[in-house]
Amino acid sequence: QKEVEQNSGPLSVPEGAIASLNCTYSDRVSQSFFWYRQYSGKSPELIMSIYSNGDKEDGRFTAQLNKASQYVSLLIRDSQPSDSATYLCAVRSAVNLFFGTGTRLTVIP
Amino acid sequence: GAGVSQSPRYKVAKRGQDVALRCDPISGHVSLFWYQQALGQGPEFLTYFQNEAQLDKSGLPSDRFFAERPEGSVSTLKIQRTQQEDSAVYLCASSRGQGAETQYFGPGTRLLVL
Repeated sequence: QKEVEQNSGPLSVPEGAIASLNCTYSDRVSQSFFWYRQYSGKSPELIMSIYSNGDKEDGRFTAQLNKASQYVSLLIRDSQPSDSATYLCAVRSAVNLFFGTGTRLTVIP
Repeated sequence: GAGVSQSPRYKVAKRGQDVALRCDPISGHVSLFWYQQALGQGPEFLTYFQNEAQLDKSGLPSDRFFAERPEGSVSTLKIQRTQQEDSAVYLCASSRGQGAETQYFGPGTRLLVL
């Protein structure tokens, strides 16, 4: 079984702060990593994908990958109340995605 | 279509009843996935189709679960003799190619078994 671990939270940050979300995975051969955002009662929405070690930035979002440590993170700069959601880390093995349990983020106005 | 659609959006079933959940993937998408998401958990993989071929069904929790995609487009997930532990959101996702691309999720079907 492929394991993906996340802190379930809740994580609360004030508006404008940086939110840091972390994820570890067990399968060393995994090559593709994803962050999905899921609002309550809605389906997961892809916000970032990362395949190589290092940082990948897209607007206010930065994904960081360290394959040696089997660690992937998501930073959200200038957090907004609309960022309040559950963030799911997903790791692909072959074609299947394996998800963590998600971290619930609340951005306080 | 514009996105992945699923029906029904909500389903209440009595224990022991059979249910069928439908997924319409994005037009032209080759790969289709079913996931089960329990309350407070991440989605868990159930099964994967490439066109009409079911290439992986390792995540199906029991032989009461059956999925098909006979013409390589619409898929149906059937659950026979439903049990209370089957209560969850069932998510369908599709991707353009042979699985190794971005998966786009449908809105899900929320199943409640009483």
